[in-house]
Amino acid sequence: QVQLVQSGAEVKKPGASVKVSCKVSGYTLTELSMHWVRQAPGKGLEWMGGFDPEDGETIYAQKFQGRVTMTEDTSTDTAYMELSSLRSEDTAVYYCATVFIAAGTSSSFFDYWGQGTLVTVSS
Amino acid sequence: QSVLTQPPSVSAAPGQKVTISCSGSSSNIGNNYVSWYQQLPGTAPKLLIYENNKRPSGIPDRFSGSKSGTSATLGITGLQTGDEADYYCGTWDSSLSALFGGGTKLTVL
Repeated sequence: QVQLVQSGAEVKKPGASVKVSCKVSGYTLTELSMHWVRQAPGKGLEWMGGFDPEDGETIYAQKFQGRVTMTEDTSTDTAYMELSSLRSEDTAVYYCATVFIAAGTSSSFFDYWGQGTLVTVSS
Repeated sequence: QSVLTQPPSVSAAPGQKVTISCSGSSSNIGNNYVSWYQQLPGTAPKLLIYENNKRPSGIPDRFSGSKSGTSATLGITGLQTGDEADYYCGTWDSSLSALFGGGTKLTVL
């Protein structure tokens, strides 16, 4: 059973950066494909990007390219998502989530989710 | 505006059945599996259905999924007040980007 525990809420000023962490237990990070999804207040889910084990690269949603960086520390099984040049529209709950990929098929889906981290961007 | 289209809300009485639709295109649902997620108020999303119609361990068989062409449907029978939540469909597109529907709020009257 995978457990994902995220860092606590953050308040940032416009233009600043935020780094959210996601600690994995139950599995090692190298066994997982970690992704990040955000949800603005009262809005739906928005995929930001994640690790593609097929080619060993991180894929970012076009909307966030150049502003988001997703990294992993395999020594501590912790994933990080850093978002820069924050603006008020970035106020949201940020989730880490693992993607299960069935070998030999095109099946992949989000199977485990962190509890979410609220990031508030306000002057 | 989400690429996958869901009705904003559905409602039904306890014990009744409800369906939630998810409409996409050939570049996403038409060529990929669909999954469904339940988000109870104030909590993280939870996997409900994967590979169009499979239920993870622990998900009751009151929940079902189907897919036809470029659309998918989530069905919930024997509605309970505890089923009140937001429901999201999900899939992938040809550029390996994950897609979610806009979400459907289920009210059990």
